Amino acid sequence: QSVLTQPPSVSAAPGQKVTISCSGSSSNIGNNYVSWYQQFPGTAPKLLIYDNNKRPSGIPDRFSGSKSGTSATLGITGLQTGDEADYYCGTWDRSLSALYVFGTGTKVTVL
Amino acid sequence: EVQLVESGGGLVQPGGSLRVSCSASGFTFSIYAIHWVRQAPGKGLEYVSGISSNGGSTYYADSVKGRFTISRDNSKNMLYLHMTSLRAEDTAVYYCVKGVQSHVGFDVFDIWGQGTMVTVSS
Repeated sequence: QSVLTQPPSVSAAPGQKVTISCSGSSSNIGNNYVSWYQQFPGTAPKLLIYDNNKRPSGIPDRFSGSKSGTSATLGITGLQTGDEADYYCGTWDRSLSALYVFGTGTKVTVL
Repeated sequence: EVQLVESGGGLVQPGGSLRVSCSASGFTFSIYAIHWVRQAPGKGLEYVSGISSNGGSTYYADSVKGRFTISRDNSKNMLYLHMTSLRAEDTAVYYCVKGVQSHVGFDVFDIWGQGTMVTVSS
């Protein structure tokens, strides 16, 4: 159902860096801003990054976003145990059959 | 504090109807588009519907078009989702989500409610 593809899981040791990719197409990522959301088990998603690389107030600069062509990337540096969560990318889609599309989701594990 | 609180979820039989609500507080509700996003158990996020700040424009995912109706009452700071002809695949947590602009298209989802669970089962 998801039209944006993410790796199912990524992992790294505390203090290390992880990157999460989000692959789409010209109808979505290629021509629209990308957002990233963080979701802990049993809780609502939270906006982490918007407009490709902007952080809402209160989001630490350990989280960063970028976009190139039809792909986007979320980076987390100085990984902490509290960063263990699911991460989703999302963007608007200009095709006839879709409105807003989310990625498949990535589970971040801190080793 | 900006807050969205959903209510009205529950167990409904296939083919039945249900209305879920979202109560907003801590911001000027009438100037922002609001959206519904759902998440089936153990699954990812799915965009369901959006409504412009004045209620004049509404949008629906193909999966719910013709069965769900989004509406809002700006005098009460309330958002609604009326769901009919419910199917097992509509079983999910339904989140109310605030946008950052008045229109639906290309909005940013900055505040999420805690969600309300809708279960469609006989």
